[in-house]
Amino acid sequence: EDQVTQSPEALRLQEGESSSLNCSYTVSGLRGLFWYRQDPGKGPEFLFTLYSAGEEKEKERLKATLTKKESFLHITAPKPEDSATYLCAVGRNTGKLIFGQGTTLQVKP
Amino acid sequence: GAGVSQTPSNKVTEKGKYVELRCDPISGHTALYWYRQSLGQGPEFLIYFQGTGAADDSGLPNDRFFAVRPEGSVSTLKIQRTERGDSAVYLCASSPNRGANTGELFFGEGSRLTVL
Repeated sequence: EDQVTQSPEALRLQEGESSSLNCSYTVSGLRGLFWYRQDPGKGPEFLFTLYSAGEEKEKERLKATLTKKESFLHITAPKPEDSATYLCAVGRNTGKLIFGQGTTLQVKP
Repeated sequence: GAGVSQTPSNKVTEKGKYVELRCDPISGHTALYWYRQSLGQGPEFLIYFQGTGAADDSGLPNDRFFAVRPEGSVSTLKIQRTERGDSAVYLCASSPNRGANTGELFFGEGSRLTVL
């Protein structure tokens, strides 16, 4: 059965304190691993797509990496505006995306 | 507007009533998705349209849920005989034809459904 698990569920950091979020997955017919950001009361906003093990993508203070069984979202020197819920999803060859439960990040000044 | 538009933004109804939720996708996007999100959870897939047809409806929980996209643009999610467990935020997303492969979905802000 397709499964996406994110850890930790919640993470509190001080501004400037780097850390990583984890997304582990099992899925048949994988068509990519995707990261989204969701602010309270809003819909998810697309961040990255990763297709193959070893691939990396960067955007400002965020870097996403992929292995055969998991993905990491590294946050370097975070700022309070990085506070949000980060969602990981896997795409199946049928076209649908399966999301994990998310990691809620709080960055304190 | 340029984004995905969902109406109503909030809907409160009584158990057993019928509800319709509407989604206006980004113009030109052929793929349209419905997801449901409960508090503290990630979005849960319901149904995916490619054009007018449902390409994958495997996420619809039971036959009380139905969705249409008659002209390949606007979509309506219909819920019959609502139950308290249907309370959630219903998210709509659209993407260009290739978006289903790139994973880049454009989400609306959702319709919050509360069943009393």
